[in-house]
Amino acid sequence: SQQGEEDPQALSIQEGENATMNCSYKTSINNLQWYRQNSGRGLVHLILIRSNEREKHSGRLRVTLDTSKKSSSLLITASRAADTASYFCATALSGYSTLTFGKGTMLLVSP
Amino acid sequence: NAGVTQTPKFQVLKTGQSMTLQCAQDMNHNSMYWYRQDPGMGLRLIYYSASEGTTDKGEVPNGYNVSRLNKREFSLRLESAAPSQTSVYFCASSITPTNEKLFFGSGTQLSVL
Repeated sequence: SQQGEEDPQALSIQEGENATMNCSYKTSINNLQWYRQNSGRGLVHLILIRSNEREKHSGRLRVTLDTSKKSSSLLITASRAADTASYFCATALSGYSTLTFGKGTMLLVSP
Repeated sequence: NAGVTQTPKFQVLKTGQSMTLQCAQDMNHNSMYWYRQDPGMGLRLIYYSASEGTTDKGEVPNGYNVSRLNKREFSLRLESAAPSQTSVYFCASSITPTNEKLFFGSGTQLSVL
């Protein structure tokens, strides 16, 4: 069963705009991770945020985690056409050793 | 540094045929995983190996077997392929089994006719 659910399912923006994707989950987590998948390729890890962290930055990426609402958001600032990809959140449940992935958000950034 | 290497990249099988998907990592990782990705379903865990010598079932293990051949290699076998196993298969590895980030291979696109 899916633990994380991304929203929206698809997002279309212009270059230079910001893109925000959300992830909601159901049970307590150890950490939450975001991955990117370019068409026809494997997933690439972007950022990991632990349950005791509220915000994390990596370059143009900003991730927030609200454990009280069981939700996370990924913000990509100043989007580029190269950011076009699917983005997945993955949750590591407390006490488990594997990640559970959501269904992903497809981001299209137009020049 | 190759990372995680999967073979083959593409495969077409007939129902009932068997095949083995190969995966190797050169990062000295302890844990390895097999996921399948279907449209609209995200990634689902088939089997994983937390460390050399151990394997465990994931969310969707039926119809598959795995072998952790050594620390580098983790293979996935379909004994009697079914159309429902048409999917893209990804191998991944991580340093430890404690929920740290995964490194993925480029995938195997499998069609079962």
